[in-house]
Amino acid sequence: AQSVTQLGSHVSVSEGALVLLRCNYSSSVPPYLFWYVQYPNQGLQLLLKYTSAATLVKGINGFEAEFKKSETSFHLTKPSAHMSDAAEYFCAVSSGSARQLTFGSGTQLTVLP
Amino acid sequence: DAGVIQSPRHEVTEMGQEVTLRCKPISGHNSLFWYRQTMMRGLELLIYFNNNVPIDDSGMPEDRFSAKMPNASFSTLKIQPSEPRDSAVYFCASSSPGRGGNLVSGANVLTFGAGSRLTVL
Repeated sequence: AQSVTQLGSHVSVSEGALVLLRCNYSSSVPPYLFWYVQYPNQGLQLLLKYTSAATLVKGINGFEAEFKKSETSFHLTKPSAHMSDAAEYFCAVSSGSARQLTFGSGTQLTVLP
Repeated sequence: DAGVIQSPRHEVTEMGQEVTLRCKPISGHNSLFWYRQTMMRGLELLIYFNNNVPIDDSGMPEDRFSAKMPNASFSTLKIQPSEPRDSAVYFCASSSPGRGGNLVSGANVLTFGAGSRLTVL
């Protein structure tokens, strides 16, 4: 069984501030982990993914995430928020040979001017 | 590539009517997924196909829902009869073969369509 918990359904940051979106996972086997972003009225787009290579994963738009097995976490960060980062962010986990992604409940990021 | 194409983008219908949502996956992708997104339940996987064959439909809420994939370039999700609680955004996603061709891999990335927003009155 696998699951994802995203802490904080809404996060607000000021433009230029650090973005930190939290994700904890549960998986009985080594997981594959993903962050997707959803802009209003659009589908989900992949930001980055972890597939057992480097634990620090760099994605698009300046985002990165670090896989920490001891903490079962895969938090998403960006050093400096931009207004265009305002969107909903989803963490997702996939295990073993399963082709099914389990999504977290999402975190709505608001960037304040 | 035009990406995953879904139609209609918006559908408003009355309770009891049949609804058909359509999806064209990315050419060369051999897996197709139907998701439903609501405020209450978030993103739920309804069904997925591999090489046009339904692999897991355990997420389909009830017999009113059915999905087909007659060929590699087309899939439908049908709701008959529709009910107000079916109102949601329905997403189609596709992914390419894993390493080794047909090997199913959890590492593969899904490409999502823009979604079909369904409102059942």
